[in-house]
Amino acid sequence: AQSVTQLGSHVSVSEGALVLLRCNYSSSVPPYLFWYVQYPNQGLQLLLKYTSAATLVKGINGFEAEFKKSETSFHLTKPSAHMSDAAEYFCAVSEDSNYQLIWGAGTKLIIKP
Amino acid sequence: DVKVTQSSRYLVKRTGEKVFLECVQDMDHENMFWYRQDPGLGLRLIYFSYDVKMKEKGDIPEGYSVSREKKERFSLILESASTNQTSMYLCASSLPSGGNDTDTQYFGPGTRLTVL
Repeated sequence: AQSVTQLGSHVSVSEGALVLLRCNYSSSVPPYLFWYVQYPNQGLQLLLKYTSAATLVKGINGFEAEFKKSETSFHLTKPSAHMSDAAEYFCAVSEDSNYQLIWGAGTKLIIKP
Repeated sequence: DVKVTQSSRYLVKRTGEKVFLECVQDMDHENMFWYRQDPGLGLRLIYFSYDVKMKEKGDIPEGYSVSREKKERFSLILESASTNQTSMYLCASSLPSGGNDTDTQYFGPGTRLTVL
């Protein structure tokens, strides 16, 4: 069964700096990989989704993620952080055999002025 | 746009009360899910349903039950609320396999439940 690891429960970057949030999955290539964002006291919102059409996936709010099979990774990046990016970010992968998503523990992104 | 609504944003209940959390989606999705979210533990699946009247246990079903009498509505029931069920509860829905939207889960705003 799949598992998902997000490195770092908290990541702090300065406004304008590069954002890099790490996600690794455990085993065979899952059908789909996702990044979701959760702003304070809200539900989760889809940022982007990998569907095997392209290894570099562009999402909303200037975020993108690159699927690297050799590294079993799907890291999320944004070239220049904005204060409004402060939120919690979740990586998830789908399972082959059912409808469930396997979730990482989340990374809280803190933006320093 | 898919819309998932939850009956309450904030709820305060007493220990031993029966609690109903309601979730409604407007996109004719077959699959619906209930999660709880606690700091440092991420999202944990309580129950999910892939069709009307069908339900499957998730990772932490103890102390909870669910009901899906209509396709658009999925209810989470705490038969006898306890303080350790104080948490954020998130509902989500998705389409089954096929198409670009496969497995993408759409979330409601969440219900923050406090059990005193």
